[in-house]
Parts: sequence; structure tokens; C-alpha cells
Amino acid sequence: DSGVTQTPKHLITATGQRVTLRCSPRSGDLSVYWYQQSLDQGLQFLIHYYNGEERAKGNILERFSAQQFPDLHSELNLSSLELGDSALYFCASSPWDSSYEQYFGPGTRLTVT
Amino acid sequence: AQTVTQSQPEMSVQEAETVTLSCTYDTSESNYYLFWYKQPPSRQMILVIRQEAYKQQNATENRFSVNFQKAAKSFSLKISDSQLGDTAMYFCAFFLYSGGGADGLTFGKGTHLIIQP
Repeated sequence: DSGVTQTPKHLITATGQRVTLRCSPRSGDLSVYWYQQSLDQGLQFLIHYYNGEERAKGNILERFSAQQFPDLHSELNLSSLELGDSALYFCASSPWDSSYEQYFGPGTRLTVT
Repeated sequence: AQTVTQSQPEMSVQEAETVTLSCTYDTSESNYYLFWYKQPPSRQMILVIRQEAYKQQNATENRFSVNFQKAAKSFSLKISDSQLGDTAMYFCAFFLYSGGGADGLTFGKGTHLIIQP
């Protein structure tokens, strides 16, 4: 158990809908990273937040957004969902801004039908 | 941008054998870290081993060791005395230490390792 929690574990929704994925980092960790794992794209970095501020963006679509709240939990919002957004979404937490230590949550499996 | 290449989509070995997974990467930076992650059927991402680029000594964690060739930009994982529980996807990953506002890990496509009884 990494200490990182993600909810929900599974999510099934229809095209065009909007969903929110939630991540709670390990106690004391200030950074949250979001990753997408899909058959087409493999594992790719989406976005990084540190202490409430966006720090880096990867291959994140404009339909996707994220935020980190004062209690340090983070949410990834996916809108106008397409079939290709079906994937496993991981968050990982890290103690500080540029720490190599990343502790992965169990992931949220999103299925878009 | 950094790239990570794993050229072996799948490998299969007998239990107790030694197996080596290959990884090459491309970067113009000098301050970085390399990792091997294991993803079993449960889909959990598990850190296997880490290598700091500034360290010449190869990292070792029990049955897992790496062969880090910085000049060749090669980072292979050796698993000794393989066990059935080692069956999983293995991902090589790169992390650039930037001192602030770090991008996330860059992953290879993965190698599916199957340990046969």
C-alpha cells in the first residue's frame, strides 16, 4: 500500500459526459502527478501540481483539467468524453516539487461507452 | 524532450532462470534518474529499482540489479533466480531533475515478462 488513494476504482460513462477523478496523496506529500495509461498511448504524464499550483503539463488534452485543493487532494476533470479516453488514470504523490520519489495510487479505470 | 525505448515487447523464461530486460533512452541532460517499475495483473505500479545518473555504481535490490551505461544511454534490468511472482509488465522510466516544476516520468512502452513454471 503506497498510501495514495484514488476514487472511484472504476467508472463507466457515456461519450460526451464529464467525470471527476479524485486523488489523495500520502500524508505530508505536497506534489501530485497525473498519468494516463491506454493501449494506444502507453503510460504518459498529464499534469503536475505542487502545493496547489500547476507546475508542469504533459500530454494533457484541453478537454481535461486538474486542480489541487488546500488539503492537497487533487481532482482530474475529464469532459466531452470520447471512446479514446478509456484508460487507467493514475495519480502519484511526491514529497516536494522536484522529488524523484513518486508513490503511485491504485488507479481509476475509466470506460467510455 | 526525453524518450525511452524498450525493444522487447514480451519475454518468457523458466522459473529460477536469469533474465535481462533492455532499455535505452535519449536525453541531452545530465541530471536525471532512471527507474524500473513493475505492473502485475493488479495494475498497481510498483517501484523495483532506481538509479541516479551521477552514480557510477549500478543499483542492486535483492534479486534485481541494473546495468547502467551512461555513455551508451542504456539501462537494463537483470532479474536473478526468477520467480512466478515476477510475471508482470516492466516499465523503464526517466525522470529529469529540473530543480523546480518537474515534468513527470517518461515511460517506455513496457516489456511483458512471463515466468514459466
